[in-house]
This record gives sequence, structure tokens and C-alpha cells, in this order.
Amino acid sequence: QVQLQESGPGLVKPSETLSLTCSVSGGSLSTSYWSWIRQPPGKGLEWIGNVLYSGGTNYNPSLKSRVTISVGTSKNHFSLKLSSVTAADTAVYYCARNNCGGDCFDPWGQGTLVTVSS
Amino acid sequence: QSALTQPPSVSGSPGQSVTISCTGTSSDVGSYNRVSWYQQPPGTAPKLMVYDVTNRPSGVPDRFSGSKSGNTASLTISGLQAEDEADYYCSSYTTSSTFVFGTGTKVTVL
Repeated sequence: QVQLQESGPGLVKPSETLSLTCSVSGGSLSTSYWSWIRQPPGKGLEWIGNVLYSGGTNYNPSLKSRVTISVGTSKNHFSLKLSSVTAADTAVYYCARNNCGGDCFDPWGQGTLVTVSS
Repeated sequence: QSALTQPPSVSGSPGQSVTISCTGTSSDVGSYNRVSWYQQPPGTAPKLMVYDVTNRPSGVPDRFSGSKSGNTASLTISGLQAEDEADYYCSSYTTSSTFVFGTGTKVTVL
């Protein structure tokens, strides 16, 4: 059974780069696309982008200029980098597998809160 | 891309049925049968409830059912139970090879 776990700093300063890693266990990265999704406190879900094992990516147009999603060299994790962050980037960040033939998000990691503040 | 439109809240008594709508455009909901629904109790990660408009993953009760007409998808919860109280989100694949989520609906069991 595939399990995902997010990790990274919980506090990032404005204008810096947010970096998170999603560790995948119980399955292979080569079988799916893998997504990052975020949820500001008290608000709805926003898809950030996804990555394929081969390195192909798709990004939310509203974030595309600041986002990089990549597969790790060890091939059992993938990463998110979001540059030039502001307070508006404060959110719980989730990683998830694009399952159901690529049409859905399942399973999800437990999420990690990242706060942007000086 | 704009978020799909959902009603902010719906409510019902135990045993009743509630339906949540999810309205998009011809560039997302209307183009594909690639709509999924997620349940999110407070403080937890979302859980997949329905995918490809009508399909339920193993373990999801058949009280949850999905449908679609044109640019609007719907999730119906029949025989509402107290444990169904949560936020619900729809999601759709788009013609730009991206995904978009709905605005979210809070389901309250009276």
C-alpha cells in the first residue's frame, strides 16, 4: 500500500524559496504522475502541479513562474520548490499520487503546514 | 484557470439525501468524465470518495454517488449519517493538462 509523507521547514521568510520533499513508500514512483496540492488556513484546495517519473511536469498557470517540481535522485521521493514566497503562500502543503489512470488524487500525505513570516 | 463553483454549504437530517453541485466550463468538467470528489473532515487530509464521475473506490459506502450533466457534476449522499459531516471538494482534469478544484462545500448533519 502506497504511503506518502511530506517533510521540510515549517517556517520560511518572505522572498525566499519554499522547499518540500514527499517520500513515497510501498510503491514505485514510475507508475504514476505525482502531485503537490496546498490549502491556506480555512480555505479551499489548490492544485500546484505534478511530475512524472521521467521528469515531465505540468503546473498551475497561476504559479508556473515560481514553481519547480522534480523527482529525487534516489527515485523514491519527489520535491517542490516555490520561489519568492509571500504571506499568501502560507498553507498546508499535501503531496498525492495521481491514481485512477491519472484522473484522481489517491492516496494523500498527511500534509505539512508552511508559514511564511519574517 | 478558475476554481469550479460549489455551494458553500448544504445540510440535512440523518437519513435524508443531500446533493452537492460542481459547476465548471467546457474546458474542464464539460470536456471529460474525469471528475473526482473528496471528503475532508476537520484537521485531516482529503479522502477520495468518487472518481471518473461515477466510480467509487473500494471501501466507500454506496450511499455516495456521482453524476454529471454538461458542465455540472454532482455528488449525492443518500441516507445521511453523522459521520458524513465534513467539507467536500470536487476536482476536474482540464484541456490544458492541469487539474482544478472546486470551492468546497460544508455538509452539516442536523
